[in-house]
Amino acid sequence: QLQLQESGPELVKPSETLSLICTVSGGSINNGDYYWGWVRQPPGKGLEWIGRVYYSGNAYYNPSLKTRVTIFVDTSKNQFSLKLNSVTAADTAVYYCVRVDFGELLYDHWGQGLLVTVSS
Amino acid sequence: QSVLTQPPSVSGAPGQRVTISCAGSSSNIGAGYAVHWYQQLPRTAPKLLIYANSNRPSGVPARFSASKSGTSASLAITGLQAEDEAHYYCQSYDSTLTSSVFGGGTKLTVL
Repeated sequence: QLQLQESGPELVKPSETLSLICTVSGGSINNGDYYWGWVRQPPGKGLEWIGRVYYSGNAYYNPSLKTRVTIFVDTSKNQFSLKLNSVTAADTAVYYCVRVDFGELLYDHWGQGLLVTVSS
Repeated sequence: QSVLTQPPSVSGAPGQRVTISCAGSSSNIGAGYAVHWYQQLPRTAPKLLIYANSNRPSGVPARFSASKSGTSASLAITGLQAEDEAHYYCQSYDSTLTSSVFGGGTKLTVL
């Protein structure tokens, strides 16, 4: 059974870089039928797509975050990662890693989520 | 302001039928991109509920159904149960934004 698990610092200072890792188990990240991505949810608010990456390394980002985001894969560890630069309080959110169907761009598996707070 | 517009809240009594709308535009739903629906129970991650406009993943009860027409889509839940109380989100792709987009979410309250 496929499982995704987010890990990383839960507290980040303003202007610094948020870095999260998603570890995939029960399936290979090398599967060409899927992207691997990130979705976030500010407290009490809705969902926002951050970006997705293919096993080859090709990545696509939300235009509103594109200048600050990098998503990349490490196939040897079956992991993919998120880096978000120059964070502010507005980046405080639960960050979910997701598996993304290549054709339909739907999110069929989700991690449990990790609350990251941006505060000094 | 979300690209896909959902009502903030809906409610219904146990056993009743409710619908949740998702209004888009000619650059997303109206352009033919599929609509997917997610259910988020309290304090949990969202779960795929409906995919490709009207299909249920295995394990999702037949009480949940969805449709798409023109620039909008809707989710219907029949025979409401207390366990259906959750937030529901629609999702599609927008060709102008070149971005996956979500609705703002609808909170379903079972009275």
